[in-house]
Amino acid sequence: DTEVTQTPKHLVMGMTNKKSLKCEQHMGHRAMYWYKQKAKKPPELMFVYSYEKLSINESVPSRFSPECPNSSLLNLHLHALQPEDSALYLCASSQERTGMRPQHFGDGTRLSIL
Amino acid sequence: EDQVTQSPEALRLQEGESSSLNCSYTVSGLRGLFWYRQDPGKGPEFLFTLYSAGEEKEKERLKATLTKKESFLHITAPKPEDSATYLCAVQEGSGYALNFGKGTSLLVTP
Repeated sequence: DTEVTQTPKHLVMGMTNKKSLKCEQHMGHRAMYWYKQKAKKPPELMFVYSYEKLSINESVPSRFSPECPNSSLLNLHLHALQPEDSALYLCASSQERTGMRPQHFGDGTRLSIL
Repeated sequence: EDQVTQSPEALRLQEGESSSLNCSYTVSGLRGLFWYRQDPGKGPEFLFTLYSAGEEKEKERLKATLTKKESFLHITAPKPEDSATYLCAVQEGSGYALNFGKGTSLLVTP
């Protein structure tokens, strides 16, 4: 079982809806990440949080809004998404952000935009 | 130009037929090379981290090795449950991001 828990596992939403993805880890990791993965492609980095502060935003559209309420939780707020945003959204965490420690992934949220 | 290239894209093995997967990289200032296994509908599962040329790591039927330009994931006497996509990723300099290869899809048949 993965130590990074993501909810919900599946989400179907319309283009005008607002929803949130949630991620939780209890490994004491201080870096947390959001990735997007399309079918048969590798994960692509979206955001990085380090000590609850946003460190990296890989030019992600503003319809994706991350939030890190505390060191164990990471949210991704979704609004006015497009059909091309349908993908597997993965959360990951690591002990530190500067390499030397592996990132551990959750099983993702499968998002479908109607 | 891809910084991380994995080959082959797909590999089909008979149970017990050993083989190797390749990951070549062109990044400078490598901080770490990571191997992950990903099953359909699941997130990547961490397997190994390699930091310096000459390093080797083993876990059950898997052995990962690292040179200055590439890494190999050797699979000895594979079983059907080893079927998955194997992803290689590198982290360079002071960057946060894992730079993933496109993966090798492994199918082991009984």
